[in-house]
Amino acid sequence: DAGITQSPRYKITETGRQVTLMCHQTWSHSYMFWYRQDLGHGLRLIYYSAAADITDKGEVPDGYVVSRSKTENFPLTLESATRSQTSVYFCASNSGQSTNEKLFFGSGTQLSVL
Amino acid sequence: AQSVAQPEDQVNVAEGNPLTVKCTYSVSGNPYLFWYVQYPNRGLQFLLKYITGDNLVKGSYGFEAEFNKSQTSFHLKKPSALVSDSALYFCAVRHDRGSTLGRLYFGRGTQLTVWP
Repeated sequence: DAGITQSPRYKITETGRQVTLMCHQTWSHSYMFWYRQDLGHGLRLIYYSAAADITDKGEVPDGYVVSRSKTENFPLTLESATRSQTSVYFCASNSGQSTNEKLFFGSGTQLSVL
Repeated sequence: AQSVAQPEDQVNVAEGNPLTVKCTYSVSGNPYLFWYVQYPNRGLQFLLKYITGDNLVKGSYGFEAEFNKSQTSFHLKKPSALVSDSALYFCAVRHDRGSTLGRLYFGRGTQLTVWP
């Protein structure tokens, strides 16, 4: 039972570079989410997806791009990284069933933008 | 606007003592409330939820939470703390009016330390 996996676990990049964070889930969950975790802010939603080819903005989407061509994958791309995007990024999924309102989180990607 | 507040950044308690981690919420309509726990270098794990029904909700690892509508609170409790309960705890909310499952608003987190 692989669950939900994120890669890489750690990433260091420079300002202005493009970087993609990967997220893969094996449950065929309909919903997938990207949250960022910052001290003093808790978790904030960047983007989410209700199904393949359906994505929508969360609270802090600026500077990020997502895609979902397959149900199991939900990559997050920073088009031109900035220092303010240094954070821990969590991918999460949910079955979409109202009787099971539980998010399953990956282990996170710690991103440092220098 | 929906939000939750966790008024304490840190809670320290001795092993064996009861613990409480506080959460208050602000949401239009009926709230769906959650507690998640994060151990070091790990993702968040679901602890419990309140959707409707009994105001006292029981969850994983012996935790429970009490929903209080008049005080707009959803405090996390455990009768007897363990050292292994030391972790970062997040309260979260979404409203019931057509918002996406899993689209949650999280508090800033409360670091719980249980000392032996």
